[in-house]
Amino acid sequence: QQQVKQSPQSLIVQKGGISIINCAYENTAFDYFPWYQQFPGKGPALLIAIRPDVSEKKEGRFTISFNKSAKQFSLHIMDSQPGDSATYFCAATSRGKLIFGQGTELSVKP
Amino acid sequence: EPEVTQTPSHQVTQMGQEVILRCVPISNHLYFYWYRQILGQKVEFLVSFYNNEISEKSEIFDDQFSVERPDGSNFTLKIRSTKLEDSAMYFCASTQIAGGNNEQFFGPGTRLTVL
Repeated sequence: QQQVKQSPQSLIVQKGGISIINCAYENTAFDYFPWYQQFPGKGPALLIAIRPDVSEKKEGRFTISFNKSAKQFSLHIMDSQPGDSATYFCAATSRGKLIFGQGTELSVKP
Repeated sequence: EPEVTQTPSHQVTQMGQEVILRCVPISNHLYFYWYRQILGQKVEFLVSFYNNEISEKSEIFDDQFSVERPDGSNFTLKIRSTKLEDSAMYFCASTQIAGGNNEQFFGPGTRLTVL
């Protein structure tokens, strides 16, 4: 019940395309859903986050869509750029600790 | 910009040896965490720490692990007798307030290799 399931495991997108990463959870006690971006050799860094009382949040080219009834949320990266190539983790918090998804390795081809 | 720092960046040790991983959280943060990431796998929660006490720990955080805040700045993770399966990246994180929409800031990690 503490799991967060993420897909796909890897994603290749052409420059300018839309990258979509999906996550699903089971624990209704989760109260915050962040997305983290990780570059090789670095720690995860917060990209964007959403609370469960909001259905969508947009920051620049990054949008989170949240479906509370389906217990699913997704990250959309519009106009994907080669600099977006990284590993993306969805996560959910329960009492402060982060429960991470498996990660998606995104590669944006020029 | 304040950041979480970790030392060393890479630690190689023999199985059965003790290791101490060090972290300096952001100065005004009050909640501290350790996570680990086995190569190619997801980031996993190990332990949270507040007010000089463990707040929560995962099943991974067994008796071989301990955490300490020995002074006002450092936060350490000790593995008493390392096993091969302890090889992983270990990330320290800190936040000002736990829970809700409070960002956890991660350090760059320590790569632990157990031979």
